Amino acid sequence: DAGVTQSPTHLIKTRGQQVTLRCSPKSGHDTVSWYQQALGQGPQFIFQYYEEEERQRGNFPDRFSGHQFPNYSSELNVNALLLGDSALYLCASSLGPGDTEAFFGQGTRLTVV
Amino acid sequence: AQKITQTQPGMFVQEKEAVTLDCTYDTSDPSYGLFWYKQPSSGEMIFLIYQGSYDQQNATEGRYSLNFQKARKSANLVISASQLGDSAMYFCAMRDGTGFQKLVFGTGTRLLVSP
Repeated sequence: DAGVTQSPTHLIKTRGQQVTLRCSPKSGHDTVSWYQQALGQGPQFIFQYYEEEERQRGNFPDRFSGHQFPNYSSELNVNALLLGDSALYLCASSLGPGDTEAFFGQGTRLTVV
Repeated sequence: AQKITQTQPGMFVQEKEAVTLDCTYDTSDPSYGLFWYKQPSSGEMIFLIYQGSYDQQNATEGRYSLNFQKARKSANLVISASQLGDSAMYFCAMRDGTGFQKLVFGTGTRLLVSP
């Protein structure tokens, strides 16, 4: 049973560019949440998708957007990249938006130069 | 607003000993959940243990137990019989009672287990 898979694992982008990160949830899970983890910090909640809609959002600018597909997989898009967007981006899936246990992927390490 | 505080940047423990990782929280919600996650160098966050605010007993999962003191707003993680593989970052997190899986994390504690 595959867990949460994220792609790519590493990515280097230039300031001002756009990036798309992808997440496939654990089998049977229908809810995907995205987190940003800066170096030396705990993860920060970006947003959550359930039934192909954004259900909750953290304190992130509109440059951060997402999408959930009918197969429950999800994308995180970041426009007009800033140096400060360099971080580990984690995807978590759960069975329903309120499930106690969230399973995390190994993350995508984004470096903006 | 919810807040998690982990005051121990790093902890050292010898193999087979027990260790306590501290976590205090702040929330005005009567219903909330508290979590502990382990993050090895690979980056993946591994769920360890969960405590609901209305749970009467402290949660336990194998070698992990959560020392929940509601009045003090603390939720310390106790790892018994430490193993070398326990070396990792440990994060305390909480969510509110709205039913959405939006977690607020602390800054983490790096645990190093020595032989």
